[in-house]
Amino acid sequence: TQLLEQSPQFLSIQEGENLTVYCNSSSVFSSLQWYRQEPGEGPVLLVTVVTGGEVKKLKRLTFQFGDARKDSSLHITAAQPGDTGLYLCAGARVSGSARQLTFGSGTQLTVLP
Amino acid sequence: GAVVSQHPSRVICKSGTSVKIECRSLDFQATTMFWYRQFPKQSLMLMATSNEGSKATYEQGVEKDKFLINHASLTLSTLTVTSAHPEDSSFYICSAYALGGNNSPLHFGNGTRLTVT
Repeated sequence: TQLLEQSPQFLSIQEGENLTVYCNSSSVFSSLQWYRQEPGEGPVLLVTVVTGGEVKKLKRLTFQFGDARKDSSLHITAAQPGDTGLYLCAGARVSGSARQLTFGSGTQLTVLP
Repeated sequence: GAVVSQHPSRVICKSGTSVKIECRSLDFQATTMFWYRQFPKQSLMLMATSNEGSKATYEQGVEKDKFLINHASLTLSTLTVTSAHPEDSSFYICSAYALGGNNSPLHFGNGTRLTVT
């Protein structure tokens, strides 16, 4: 059972289009992170959101954390082929003495030139 | 910046043999490291939490006798896949937190592609 559900699972769009990826959970997280992963490599952190309702912008990417800290969204404006990759949200919780990340199911984005 | 190095990046082994994967924090100390497994086009699934100087904590459904974890120093954790079978073929990734605090980022290694023939 995936604690963090991402949608859509796959997305193929043309260069210049906008898109939104959603990350939803029934659990509350202390923070939520978004990563981008390319084939054969580890995930690379894009952003961390901490406060309910928080909005962060990273160039053409806009990240939002839900008021209840259970969900998040990633919006990309004017997508480019270089944005292609696997986007993963991850919620942070403390388990014992360790802070663990639970990853979402992932969204595979393909931006066609 | 904080770097996590994984070795090897790719390994092919025969069924029944054991394979060791190393995860090193290059410029910071990590008392805790995490091991993930990822199948093609799927998300990362946490296998275990590696604790320096103590036993690893395994997630439900992960066989601790099959996936041996050793965290003998503050900069090195190893994952050994014992008696590997083709179904163990996967992408294994380790990670560690570089700094303390509740919201510091998790740094990932570049992963190890294991193929069991």
